[in-house]
Amino acid sequence: QQPVQSPQAVILREGEDAVINCSSSKALYSVHWYRQKHGEAPVFLMILLKGGEQKGHEKISASFNEKKQQSSLYLTASQLSYSGTYFCGTVNRDDKIIFGKGTRLHILP
Amino acid sequence: ETGVTQSPTHLIKTRGQQVTLRCSSQSGHNTVSWYQQALGQGPQFIFQYYREEENGRGNFPPRFSGLQFPNYSSELNVNALELDDSALYLCASSLEPHSNQPQHFGDGTRLSIL
Repeated sequence: QQPVQSPQAVILREGEDAVINCSSSKALYSVHWYRQKHGEAPVFLMILLKGGEQKGHEKISASFNEKKQQSSLYLTASQLSYSGTYFCGTVNRDDKIIFGKGTRLHILP
Repeated sequence: ETGVTQSPTHLIKTRGQQVTLRCSSQSGHNTVSWYQQALGQGPQFIFQYYREEENGRGNFPPRFSGLQFPNYSSELNVNALELDDSALYLCASSLEPHSNQPQHFGDGTRLSIL
């Protein structure tokens, strides 16, 4: 079952914050987050494991609510380089990563 | 450290033909996963190879097949190509086959079916 990401797209000005949500109808074991720029490969951002705490570094962090089967990615004081499409990948008992459709983020100067 | 490399970059085929895509995993990685990414969509899992054996498969027909070699590089073969097979095919390698491992993606092969 493919996770649902929201919003589908967002436009921000440099320095503004963004939150991208990812929810699943199935129990989750872990959640991956990746960023893909146009014409490039997806790049790994972080993994959140069941029972783990909020993870992140500098201005990009994420949380994982196992009970609600949801994860959120937080982008603080966004930079131009944050532009791209963000994908969450959820993992349930079959141990395979199922990616959402992505959230397109565009940062304006 | 050499990253994941894929070849060719682009490919144009016609319906009914067969295609082979290649992937070299990142050094030290023994697991390769293949994904299909349609325009505007997220990557969709095709299958995974670990130690030269298929280790899980997504909802793709048997005409999608693969191989992994002793050096952990991999091939994706697609027979009897259909128009809907037009997509970006991504290869990702990881240290281990488990889903708690980061996926390191190559730049992909863009396949167009005419």
